[in-house]
Amino acid sequence: RKEVEQDPGPFNVPEGATVAFNCTYSNSASQSFFWYRQDCRKEPKLLMSVYSSGNEDGRFTAQLNRASQYISLLIRDSKLSDSATYLCVVNDEPGNTGKLIFGQGTTLQVKP
Amino acid sequence: DVKVTQSSRYLVKRTGEKVFLECVQDMDHENMFWYRQDPGLGLRLIYFSYDVKMKEKGDIPEGYSVSREKKERFSLILESASTNQTSMYLCASSSITRGVGKNIQYFGAGTRLSVL
Repeated sequence: RKEVEQDPGPFNVPEGATVAFNCTYSNSASQSFFWYRQDCRKEPKLLMSVYSSGNEDGRFTAQLNRASQYISLLIRDSKLSDSATYLCVVNDEPGNTGKLIFGQGTTLQVKP
Repeated sequence: DVKVTQSSRYLVKRTGEKVFLECVQDMDHENMFWYRQDPGLGLRLIYFSYDVKMKEKGDIPEGYSVSREKKERFSLILESASTNQTSMYLCASSSITRGVGKNIQYFGAGTRLSVL
């Protein structure tokens, strides 16, 4: 079983749609959670951290469910510029090495 | 702004050549990482370092070595390049400082290496 699993998609949605991505992780002791965004042929960039209480940044909402070991990302009112690959990322190292585990990513294509 | 700089965006080498990929970060981060990214396989960790002169193997270290002589610089070395090492190579750095910024990795723009 992969440590971090995501549906690779692609998700094809019209502009203005609401889309949700889910991600599951295998280590119940995982401590930190993130969503990264990667544009085509570019490097991954942090989109948002995911906190236990859930958090929102504009049109983006991230949720964490520790009991079920999944993380979600909700994008409201999709824009063409949201087209990218979204990476679910988990840190479960007990020490300070900062090692992260990346999911393979979910591809989103927003159409006019 | 955090800046992670990789020395080359594109590199073409021949089989058997020794290849050096350089990465420099300007945020005094303790941790540095080298990944490769291939279609369908996602990001795979090659090596990482949590301090000067310290290194740890990642998931796919075979055929690679690293060097961290200074805190800001982390080099990836392909001792004898092979065609299956053709890939996008990404360097990242992060801080161990407590707080909301802890463990967030910042990436360089990547080096697309082709081995012929």
